[in-house]
Order: sequence, then C-alpha cells, then structure tokens
Amino acid sequence: NAGVTQTPKFRVLKTGQSMTLLCAQDMNHEYMYWYRQDPGMGLRLIHYSVGEGTTAKGEVPDGYNVSRLKKQNFLLGLESAAPSQTSVYFCASSYSSADTDTQYFGPGTRLTVL
Amino acid sequence: GQQVMQIPQYQHVQEGEDFTTYCNSSTTLSNIQWYKQRPGGHPVFLIQLVKSGEVKKQKRLTFQFGEAKKNSSLHITATQTTDVGTYFCAGQTGGFKTIFGAGTRLFVKA
Repeated sequence: NAGVTQTPKFRVLKTGQSMTLLCAQDMNHEYMYWYRQDPGMGLRLIHYSVGEGTTAKGEVPDGYNVSRLKKQNFLLGLESAAPSQTSVYFCASSYSSADTDTQYFGPGTRLTVL
Repeated sequence: GQQVMQIPQYQHVQEGEDFTTYCNSSTTLSNIQWYKQRPGGHPVFLIQLVKSGEVKKQKRLTFQFGEAKKNSSLHITATQTTDVGTYFCAGQTGGFKTIFGAGTRLFVKA
C-alpha cells in the first residue's frame, strides 16, 4: 500500500494563476482532509470530505475549492493564487468519523506564490 | 470557537535531558492525539488518549490526559537526537473535525 500520496511535491505559481493539488489514498478511507501548515500556526483545516461526492468547509476555506468525485481522490483547487496561499499543504485520510480514528498524512506539497 | 493551545512553541535541550510539551483545550475533549513531524516530513501519528486521567507510555515517551479531559502532556525522558522534530497535539470534541495545536519544535544538541 502506498498510503496517502500527493502530487505535485513542489510548485511555484505567479499571483493569479490557478492549479490543482491531487491527493490519493489506497486505504479505502471514507474521510479525507486538506490542511495547510504555516510556521507557528500548526495545521489548519481547509476543506474535508466525509465520503465520495461530498465536501465541506473547514477552518480556512476561502480561496480554495475541492472535489471528491472518486472515493480514493480528493482534489484541492486554487482558482486565483495569492501570495497569502504560500504554504505547505497536507492531505490526510481516516477510515471513519469515530473519535478513535487516526489520520494518515501524505508527504505534503510545498507551494510558493510569487 | 474551539482552541487548542500548545506550549512551549520551541525548546532546545542537551541530549540526555528531559522534555515536556503541554496542550490545553478551551473545551472538553473526547480524545486527544499526538503526532510527530520530522523536519521536512509529514505528521505521523504517535498515540491517542481517550479516558480521563489516562497515562500511556511508549519507551521513553509518556503521554497523559488530564482528569477534566481539557489538557494533555507529552514527556520525553533522556532525549536523543532522533527525537528532533515538531510534536503536535490534536483534539477532537465528538465530531470529525480535529483541531491541532500549533506544535512544539524540539531541538536536541548532541
């Protein structure tokens, strides 16, 4: 099992450009999450999905959109990138919503917006 | 909204010294998880605490969950250079949203 994978690993964008980050998991997990990590801020939830075809807003959703067309994939889109979106983006997945369930993280995508 | 505060933000220790990071929630938690992130890496699950007053050990790591289920701590005995990284606590309140603390970055000098 590859676990949770993310593509790309690195990306540099100019302000106003768009891009899509792809997250894939092969653990048959129902729940998937997108976080951003900034120095001193910990991990902040952007959007999440509780199953195929569903998405919901997290703590910091503005400027991002997501889609979960297939259970194993969770896409994060930036329609018009801004320097404030420079960050490291982590995708995670978990089997269920049970309180005892843990999240498995992907390796991250380092995004720089100039 | 719910907040999870973690202190200290960073700590430098000499190899062999002990290290503790503390996590405090503004609300009662149903459980708390701890993750470790190595420099340049991604968060990796360490342990989960569910019961009030629970204490769990993993070799040199001791995890505690407060009686009121609003605070937690991670203590590392006799740190080693392999302990370097950022330690995050993450609290859940009965839903599927996990609130992460800002993390404590540990530096270990050999």
